[in-house]
Amino acid sequence: AQSVSQHNHHVILSEAASLELGCNYSYGGTVNLFWYVQYPGQHLQLLLKYFSGDPLVKGIKGFEAEFIKSKFSFNLRKPSVQWSDTAEYFCAVNGKGGGNKLTFGTGTQLKVEL
Amino acid sequence: NAGVTQTPKFQVLKTGQSMTLQCAQDMNHNSMYWYRQDPGMGLRLIYYSASEGTTDKGEVPNGYNVSRLNKREFSLRLESAAPSQTSVYFCASSDGGITDTQYFGPGTRLTVL
Repeated sequence: AQSVSQHNHHVILSEAASLELGCNYSYGGTVNLFWYVQYPGQHLQLLLKYFSGDPLVKGIKGFEAEFIKSKFSFNLRKPSVQWSDTAEYFCAVNGKGGGNKLTFGTGTQLKVEL
Repeated sequence: NAGVTQTPKFQVLKTGQSMTLQCAQDMNHNSMYWYRQDPGMGLRLIYYSASEGTTDKGEVPNGYNVSRLNKREFSLRLESAAPSQTSVYFCASSDGGITDTQYFGPGTRLTVL
């Protein structure tokens, strides 16, 4: 069975600070990896995804994530956060061969202060 | 192109009442999903439908039933609502192909008293 662990449940940053949110997954085979964002009162939106190739993936709004296979990790980064990045961030994994089912982490609530 | 739509947006039920949550997508996707979101627990899969005519249980199916009415629509039914089913419910769809990115609806906030 696949599982996802997000280490930081709540993160508070000042504007312009750098962001790194941790995500580790457990699955024995090849995986697809995702980061979704949920702004207050809104539905989940895709930030970025990894399927194959370059392990450094760039997404929308200046976010990027790096897939490190040896560490089973897919951490999300942004060099300089903005107040508008305040949201909840979810890491998700879809193990190939496990059907179309996504398994989500418990989420990280990010608050960016002015 | 509305993407994934859900009705209703909010609902309050009394314990034991039944209701159906509706979901529709206009992206011609093969696969559809129902999740529930609870604080500190992320999203958990209730049921999914890999293609029209098929449905399968997810992680937390107890107390729910689903119907894949056609390729566009996937409904979730609570036959006898319980307070433990108070949650936000999200429907999603995906093309089921190699990239298989899921697209989410706006959610239904359900309270069971």
